[in-house]
Amino acid sequence: GQNIDQPTEMTATEGAIVQINCTYQTSGFNGLFWYQQHAGEAPTFLSYNVLDGLEEKGRFSSFLSRSKGYSYLLLKELQMKDSASYLCPKGGSYIPTFGRGTSLIVHP
Amino acid sequence: DVKVTQSSRYLVKRTGEKVFLECVQDMDHENMFWYRQDPGLGLRLIYFSYDVKMKEKGDIPEGYSVSREKKERFSLILESASTNQTSMYLCASKGRGSYNEQFFGPGTRLTVL
Repeated sequence: GQNIDQPTEMTATEGAIVQINCTYQTSGFNGLFWYQQHAGEAPTFLSYNVLDGLEEKGRFSSFLSRSKGYSYLLLKELQMKDSASYLCPKGGSYIPTFGRGTSLIVHP
Repeated sequence: DVKVTQSSRYLVKRTGEKVFLECVQDMDHENMFWYRQDPGLGLRLIYFSYDVKMKEKGDIPEGYSVSREKKERFSLILESASTNQTSMYLCASKGRGSYNEQFFGPGTRLTVL
C-alpha cells in the first residue's frame, strides 16, 4: 500500500497557513481521506473528498484533483495543537491505502 | 459516542509467548482492521475482516493470525512473539462503502523482550 506520496516532515509558525500535499496513484480511486494523528494517539478523521474541488471545514480545508491524482490539506491560523502527523489514505471498497504520513511541527 | 476499544494500552511479553490483542467496536461495522505502526513506516495493514468469520491478509501477515467470531470483536494473535513484533498495534472499524471513514482504537504498545 505504498502508492501514496507525502512530504515526510514540515515546519510552520503559529498563526501561519500551511499546505500539506498528497499524491496518489489514480487506479482504483474511491475518494481520499485526511486523518490527524497526535503522537501516541490514534488517527482521527478530518475530511473525505471524492469530487474535484475544495471543501472547507473551519480552519481546515481539503482539495482534490482526480485527474492529477493530487490532494492537499490546508491548515489556517495554525495553533500549537496542530502539531501532529497527517495521513491521506486513498479510499477503497474495503481497504484504505495509507502512506507514511506528514509530520507537522508548529513552533511559536 | 462511537467507540473502538482495545484490551490493553501497554503490553510486555517475552519472546516465544502467545499474545492476544482484542478489539471491540460498538458501531455494528462490517469491516475491521489490524495495523501496526512503526516510526518512518506509517500504518501497515496486517489483516482485515469484512464480515464475521471472514478474513483477508494485508501487507504484512507473516507471524500473525486473526479471529472474528462475532461482528463486534476482532482479535489479533501472535502465535510466537518475536522482538521484531515490538510495535504500536492499531485496530480500526469501518462501515460498508468506500465513503465511510475508519474509526481507530487507542492502540496497544507491545514490547517483546
